[in-house]
Amino acid sequence: AQSVAQPEDQVKVAEGNPLTVKCTYSVSGNPYLFWYVQYPNRGLQFLLKYITGDNLVKGSYGFEAEFNKSQTSFHLKKPSALVSDSALYFCAVRDAGRNYGQNFVFGPGTRLSVLP
Amino acid sequence: DTGVSQDPRHKITKRGQNVTFRCDPISEHNRLYWYRQTLGQGPEFLTYFQNEAQLEKSRLLSDRFSAERPKGSFSTLEIQRTEQGDSAMYLCASSSDRIGQYFGPGTRLTVT
Repeated sequence: AQSVAQPEDQVKVAEGNPLTVKCTYSVSGNPYLFWYVQYPNRGLQFLLKYITGDNLVKGSYGFEAEFNKSQTSFHLKKPSALVSDSALYFCAVRDAGRNYGQNFVFGPGTRLSVLP
Repeated sequence: DTGVSQDPRHKITKRGQNVTFRCDPISEHNRLYWYRQTLGQGPEFLTYFQNEAQLEKSRLLSDRFSAERPKGSFSTLEIQRTEQGDSAMYLCASSSDRIGQYFGPGTRLTVT
């Protein structure tokens, strides 16, 4: 079965500094990996995904993520954080060889706080 | 707005009552998913439709829960005899392929 770990419940960074939100995963086959952001009382907004190809994936709002197969990681990064980036971030994984539904698994989330 | 929409956004109900939520997916998407999210947790899969066929159901979906997608467009999620433990955000998502999902704003259910 797939699983996702986000080892930090909370990340705090100062505005203008680079940010990293960590994600590690476990799947039996090849992974499809995703990052979503959630603002208070809102649904999840898609940020970016890794399916195949270049290990560095660029997404919305200046975010990017690097797929590292040997470390089974997919960390989310941004060179310069904004206060408006403060939100809850979810990493998700799906085994590429399996159907959707139960095989699409979310991590527990990391709360990002960007301090002015 | 061509995104996924959900109605209502908030629902407060008394224990034992039935509630029904609606999801309207992005029009060209044939796949529709329901998730439940409790405070501080990631979304948990409930059920999945491809067109009008319900292809997967989670063990989380007890007999009190039922979902339909009668014409392969909008979907409804009904909870019968609500319990306080049903209080959560119910999220709907849709996709046109097997790769990415787009989420609606959610329906927050509070059972008193």
